[in-house]
Amino acid sequence: GENVEQHPSTLSVQEGDSAVIKCTYSDSASNYFPWYKQELGKRPQLIIDIRSNVGEKKDQRIAVTLNKTAKHFSLHITETQPEDSAVYFCAASPYNFNKFYFGSGTKLNVKP
Amino acid sequence: EAQVTQNPRYLITVTGKKLTVTCSQNMNHEYMSWYRQDPGLGLRQIYYSMNVEVTDKGDVPEGYKVSRKEKRNFPLILESPSPNQTSLYFCASSWGTGELFFGEGSRLTVL
Repeated sequence: GENVEQHPSTLSVQEGDSAVIKCTYSDSASNYFPWYKQELGKRPQLIIDIRSNVGEKKDQRIAVTLNKTAKHFSLHITETQPEDSAVYFCAASPYNFNKFYFGSGTKLNVKP
Repeated sequence: EAQVTQNPRYLITVTGKKLTVTCSQNMNHEYMSWYRQDPGLGLRQIYYSMNVEVTDKGDVPEGYKVSRKEKRNFPLILESPSPNQTSLYFCASSWGTGELFFGEGSRLTVL
């Protein structure tokens, strides 16, 4: 089955700096790659996603890049703010969106 | 308000005592699934359902059962809970095209 690895497990940045979280996957059948943000004590919520026919997607301060050949994708957050502090999960799913494989999570701490 | 509702939110039980965690969604989603979240392991899929009466195993189905008799409900059943099932459980639903909508979570402790 699919194996999704996520790095780093913790990331601390100063407010205003950029943050990058990286994930790799193993199954070439995966073609949907969402990112979820989970604030302390809350449910995971989708922040951005990318499909395999796209190499990059941006939404304001958040961007995701995908390299299907190398089987890795990354989350980029620019101009970080304290409210970006949370745990971020990457995931991979095949074309029919039935199974989702999540990374182990990255705890992002944005210091004011 | 569109939502996924889980109950109970917190439960402490003892080994072997059958329990059910309910999940209900009001978005008319066809797809529903259950995950467990453990420190350092992320979210792992237990079971999923693409539609009524259609369920299938995820990555960690051992010790769990599910049923999908109605579109809106997808209960998770632990027939004989064991301490290694102590975890935070999330139900999620979706249109089946990508985004998962998660419930608030159910924290289960098995003594």
